[in-house]
Amino acid sequence: GENVEQHPSTLSVQEGDSAVIKCTYSDSASNYFPWYKQELGKGPQLIIDIRSNVGEKKDQRIAVTLNKTAKHFSLHITETQPEDSAVYFCAAKGSTGTASKLTFGTGTRLQVTL
Amino acid sequence: EPEVTQTPSHQVTQMGQEVILRCVPISNHLYFYWYRQILGQKVEFLVSFYNNEISEKSEIFDDQFSVERPDGSNFTLKIRSTKLEDSAMYFCASSASETQYFGPGTRLLVL
Repeated sequence: GENVEQHPSTLSVQEGDSAVIKCTYSDSASNYFPWYKQELGKGPQLIIDIRSNVGEKKDQRIAVTLNKTAKHFSLHITETQPEDSAVYFCAAKGSTGTASKLTFGTGTRLQVTL
Repeated sequence: EPEVTQTPSHQVTQMGQEVILRCVPISNHLYFYWYRQILGQKVEFLVSFYNNEISEKSEIFDDQFSVERPDGSNFTLKIRSTKLEDSAMYFCASSASETQYFGPGTRLLVL
């Protein structure tokens, strides 16, 4: 089955700096890669996603890149703010159907310091 | 903005008891999911549900677990005889296509 690795497990940046979180996946058939932000005591909130036919996607301060050949994808947050502090999860979805499960990475705890 | 809701937010139960976790998916969504997250760990898939039947289930989803859509709005997860290791946060999610939207979760504590 699919296996998703995520690094780093913790990341501390100063406000205004950029943060990069990287994930690799094992199943070359995976075709959809969402990123979720989870704040303490809450459910995962989708922040951005990318499909396998696209190499990069940007939404304001957040961008995601995908390298299908290397089977890795990354989340980039620019001009970080204290409210960006949370745990971020990458995930991969297989191609077996619309209701295919998401396989999550182990999470990155991002701390944005003043 | 429509969202997935879950009840209860917290549930404490004794080992061996049955629990039912409830979810109201986003109204026009057709695909429903349950995931769980043990404290400090990653989110793990349990089961997906479409057209009134299970589409896919993980090895975690054994005979002690069942899901049901009892009416047009609710989606439930039942654990028949809870074990200590079932203590976790349980998330319901729904989707219209591949993008899954998660609820706030139910924290289950089995004593």
